[in-house]
Amino acid sequence: DTEVTQTPKHLVMGMTNKKSLKCEQHMGHRAMYWYKQKAKKPPELMFVYSYEKLSINESVPSRFSPECPNSSLLNLHLHALQPEDSALYLCASSELRGANTEAFFGQGTRLTVV
Amino acid sequence: AQTVTQSQPEMSVQEAETVTLSCTYDTSESNYYLFWYKQPPSRQMILVIRQEAYKQQNATENRFSVNFQKAAKSFSLKISDSQLGDTAMYFCASADGSARQLTFGSGTQLTVLP
Repeated sequence: DTEVTQTPKHLVMGMTNKKSLKCEQHMGHRAMYWYKQKAKKPPELMFVYSYEKLSINESVPSRFSPECPNSSLLNLHLHALQPEDSALYLCASSELRGANTEAFFGQGTRLTVV
Repeated sequence: AQTVTQSQPEMSVQEAETVTLSCTYDTSESNYYLFWYKQPPSRQMILVIRQEAYKQQNATENRFSVNFQKAAKSFSLKISDSQLGDTAMYFCASADGSARQLTFGSGTQLTVLP
C-alpha cells in the first residue's frame, strides 16, 4: 500500500466555520507533512511531524492547527479562515531514516473559503 | 537553506519527441537528494525520478532520465518518446539527508501535442 488518503477531496466553508482535513497513510512512515498549494505555484510547506511530534511550523497563522493522533493519521483543523486561504492542501509522508527518501503525496483537498 | 530554480515556466513538445526540462539548485549540504515530481490536472503529485547526490551515475526510469551535473548544481530531466499522458506540471525538488522535507522549484508546465 503506497497510498496517502486525504478527505474530503473538496471543501467549501464560511469564514466562521470550523472544519478539519484528514490524512491517512499505512506505509509505516514516521514523517508527515502539510503543504499549501496555490494555482500554478509550487507547494509551500506548512507543518512537519516527525515521530508524531511537531518538528516544523513554517510560521503558519494560528487559524490552522495541526494534529497527529498517531503514526498513521494527520489532521489539519481550520477555524476562522480568510478567502486568501483558499487553496489545494496536500498531505505527504516519508521515511525518516534509510535511503528511501521519496515523499508520497495524497490527492489533496481543494478548499474554498467564502 | 536550499533553493531550487526552474527557468522554463512553460514548454511544449510533439508526441514521440524528446524534451529536456532544466533545473538548478543550491545547497550547503553535502548529503542531499534531488527529485522530479509530476502533477497532472488530477492534482496528485507523483515522483518521476530520484537522484542521490553521492551517486555519480545519472538516474533513469524507463523514458525518463536525468543529467546530474554536481559541480554546476544542475539537474535536468529528459523525457524521451513523449506521450500525451506526460502533459503535467513538473516540479524539481531537493531535500537534505536529515530533514527530508522538500524544497520545490517554481515548476514547468509541459504540454505534449498530438
